[in-house]
Amino acid sequence: QQQVKQSPQSLIVQKGGISIINCAYENTAFDYFPWYQQFPGKGPALLIAIRPDVSEKKEGRFTISFNKSAKQFSLHIMDSQPGDSATYFCAATGNAGNMLTFGGGTRLMVKP
Amino acid sequence: DTEVTQTPKHLVMGMTNKKSLKCEQHMGHRAMYWYKQKAKKPPELMFVYSYEKLSINESVPSRFSPECPNSSLLNLHLHALQPEDSALYLCASSRLADYEQYFGPGTRLTVT
Repeated sequence: QQQVKQSPQSLIVQKGGISIINCAYENTAFDYFPWYQQFPGKGPALLIAIRPDVSEKKEGRFTISFNKSAKQFSLHIMDSQPGDSATYFCAATGNAGNMLTFGGGTRLMVKP
Repeated sequence: DTEVTQTPKHLVMGMTNKKSLKCEQHMGHRAMYWYKQKAKKPPELMFVYSYEKLSINESVPSRFSPECPNSSLLNLHLHALQPEDSALYLCASSRLADYEQYFGPGTRLTVT
């Protein structure tokens, strides 16, 4: 029940295209859903996060869509750029101790 | 400033060595975390400190020994490690009432 399933494992997008990464969770106690971006050899950086009281959150080219009834959320990267090439992790939490449950990660490559 | 710093950046140690990893943050966060990340995998939680006290130990072998000397510092003492312990070790911090975790750049550990 603690799992967060992320897809796809890898994604290739042309420059200017839309990158879409999906996550699904089981635990209905989760109430915070962040996305992290990680470049090779670096630590994960918090990109954007959403709580289940809203269905969408947008920050620049990055948008989270949240479907509470389906227990799914997704990251959309509009106008994808080569500099967006990185590994993206979705995560979820809602329990004591702030323990993040991570998805398996998506390696995004944006081709010029 | 949302910076978590970690030293050293790289560490190579033999199986009989004793070494320590250091993490520092000056954001006033009272929760600090150690994660282990293997290649192409999400971070795995090892330890959580709340108010400088160990609150979560995710069944980590005793060859890893955490220490929180004060609210800004977190150490991870390493002794008699195995080659399979080679990984990126990440430190993170957050406010206790907040789910947002900020990660450091990590220490790349190689055990020979």
